[in-house]
Amino acid sequence: AQSVTQPDIHITVSEGASLELRCNYSYGATPYLFWYVQSPGQGLQLLLKYFSGDTLVQGIKGFEAEFKRSQSSFNLRKPSVHWSDAAEYFCAVGAGNNDMRFGAGTRLTVKP
Amino acid sequence: SQTIHQWPATLVQPVGSPLSLECTVEGTSNPNLYWYRQAAGRGLQLLFYSVGIGQISSEVPQNLSASRPQDRQFILSSKKLLLSDSGFYLCAWSTLPYGYTFGSGTRLTVV
Repeated sequence: AQSVTQPDIHITVSEGASLELRCNYSYGATPYLFWYVQSPGQGLQLLLKYFSGDTLVQGIKGFEAEFKRSQSSFNLRKPSVHWSDAAEYFCAVGAGNNDMRFGAGTRLTVKP
Repeated sequence: SQTIHQWPATLVQPVGSPLSLECTVEGTSNPNLYWYRQAAGRGLQLLFYSVGIGQISSEVPQNLSASRPQDRQFILSSKKLLLSDSGFYLCAWSTLPYGYTFGSGTRLTVV
């Protein structure tokens, strides 16, 4: 079965600085990969997804992620973080059986 | 468009009381439906999933149960709540490869 690891539990960045959140997956075939964001007390919102094709995918709110098969990674990036980006971020991997597994999440704090 | 409704948003229940959380989806048919729990400071734990009416799969043994009485309705229940049942419960539906759509969640506090 597929699995996801988010190595960083908590990251703090200054507003305006660049951001990279790490995600590593384990799956025998080409995975479906996702990043979600969760604001406190809210459900999860899809930021972006990768199925196939271009390995650099653009999402909402200025986020992008790059699929690197050789590293089994799907890291999320943003060139300039805004205070409103403070939230919990979840990476997820899906298989063809409609089963999706989530990482433990990375909490992002943005310093003024 | 597809939407998912989950209620109530918050719930405070005494230990030993019953529980019923409801989730409904609109704009799709025969969805795969999921219940997740998110404990404080932890990731998402898959509790149940359903691929059709009356079809429930449980991921972990626990004090909770799920039912799917209609195609677009998914219910999470308990006969007697435990303190450890406190958490944030999320319903979701999926059609891979498009990912999951989540409800807004229910914050359950068992006191």
